[in-house]
Amino acid sequence: EAGVVQSPRYKIIEKKQPVAFWCNPISGHNTLYWYRQNLGQGPELLIRYENEEAVDDSQLPKDRFSAERLKGVDSTLKIQPAELGDSAVYLCASSLSPGEDYEQYFGPGTRLTVT
Amino acid sequence: AQKVTQAQTEISVVEKEDVTLDCVYETRDTTYYLFWYKQPPSGELVFLIRRNSFDEQNEISGRYSWNFQKSTSSFNFTITASQVVDSAVYFCALNDYKLSFGAGTTVTVRA
Repeated sequence: EAGVVQSPRYKIIEKKQPVAFWCNPISGHNTLYWYRQNLGQGPELLIRYENEEAVDDSQLPKDRFSAERLKGVDSTLKIQPAELGDSAVYLCASSLSPGEDYEQYFGPGTRLTVT
Repeated sequence: AQKVTQAQTEISVVEKEDVTLDCVYETRDTTYYLFWYKQPPSGELVFLIRRNSFDEQNEISGRYSWNFQKSTSSFNFTITASQVVDSAVYFCALNDYKLSFGAGTTVTVRA
């Protein structure tokens, strides 16, 4: 069974430029998460989807970040314009159910460097 | 608010030594789940173990074991007979529909 797929793996952009990350969750997983992991820290949730609905986007900086999961499968996270502080690893995860007892499966992440 | 604290930043051991990772958490929920994840140098977080809040029985799974004590809000994790491949960052996490992670403990196992 294929795991969570993310692309690109690495991205280097200049500040003020836009950037987008793509995630394809494990087949059959209805719940999808985007996390941001700063260097030396644990991941922090940005947004959680149940099917195509964003059910928790309270930590998403909505002035510059946006996300979509139009058909309830793959998802895109966008930053426009990027700032130096956005440099981090962006992780996508999926789970079979949103229940708190279900483990989340993570993709390899996209390492973003903003110069 | 939830909070997960991993006081140990780094641990270095020689192969075959046991490694115990500490985790302390805060939550107002009466029902919750605790997890340990491993993040090797490749970057992908790997699920290791899960424990629910209403079962304090400690368990062993292969070389992994965990000690959950609700009275002290601790969920410690032990790797027995460590191997070089165990070198990674280990995260403790608390789940109530989103995972709240600790800052992680970097484990280095030397041959």
